[in-house]
Amino acid sequence: SQELEQSPQSLIVQEGKNLTINCTSSKTLYGLYWYKQKYGEGLIFLMMLQKGGEEKSHEKITAKLDEKKQQSSLHITASQPSHAGIYLCGAVTYGSSNTGKLIFGQGTTLQVKP
Amino acid sequence: DAGVIQSPRHEVTEMGQEVTLRCKPISGHNSLFWYRQTMMRGLELLIYFNNNVPIDDSGMPEDRFSAKMPNASFSTLKIQPSEPRDSAVYFCASRATSGGTDTQYFGPGTRLTVL
Repeated sequence: SQELEQSPQSLIVQEGKNLTINCTSSKTLYGLYWYKQKYGEGLIFLMMLQKGGEEKSHEKITAKLDEKKQQSSLHITASQPSHAGIYLCGAVTYGSSNTGKLIFGQGTTLQVKP
Repeated sequence: DAGVIQSPRHEVTEMGQEVTLRCKPISGHNSLFWYRQTMMRGLELLIYFNNNVPIDDSGMPEDRFSAKMPNASFSTLKIQPSEPRDSAVYFCASRATSGGTDTQYFGPGTRLTVL
């Protein structure tokens, strides 16, 4: 079973709509990373969250960490075609926190219809 | 900053052939990671190095896979002999420090196709 579960697996939204992607861990979270990937390209770092309740924003993308629920959410406001891609969450868990080894969710594929 | 550099970007080979993937981490970074991405299994960590020393290779699928880091600016991932099920995108990533939760930066990947 996956240690990191992302939902939904895929998402199609109309341009201008808001959307949320969730990432849930089966283990206690120590650090949570969000990356974006376009097909055929590498992963682009978006944000990293470490503390429960922490919230970070970059342009129209906001990520939050709920440490109690072992969950993070990524929210995009007023989506644009440029937001399309695969969003992956990566986590450092207590078992590997001293070495910073990341495990990743399966990814959420986002399409934005103009 | 050039970022993490990988070569080749695409590799097509026949089953049984040796394949060598190359990675140059970001200058000054102390940790280097090799990942494999497939539709079925997602992004999997194969092996990582701290200060050129392999720390955890538990993700390496079989003895056919080997990785080296002879110096701080170069690493290779070798598959010998290659098999069709090795077809995937292989990513290299580097991180500034050896521990903690510093951000990992990824290269563009090598798309490997084994016929």
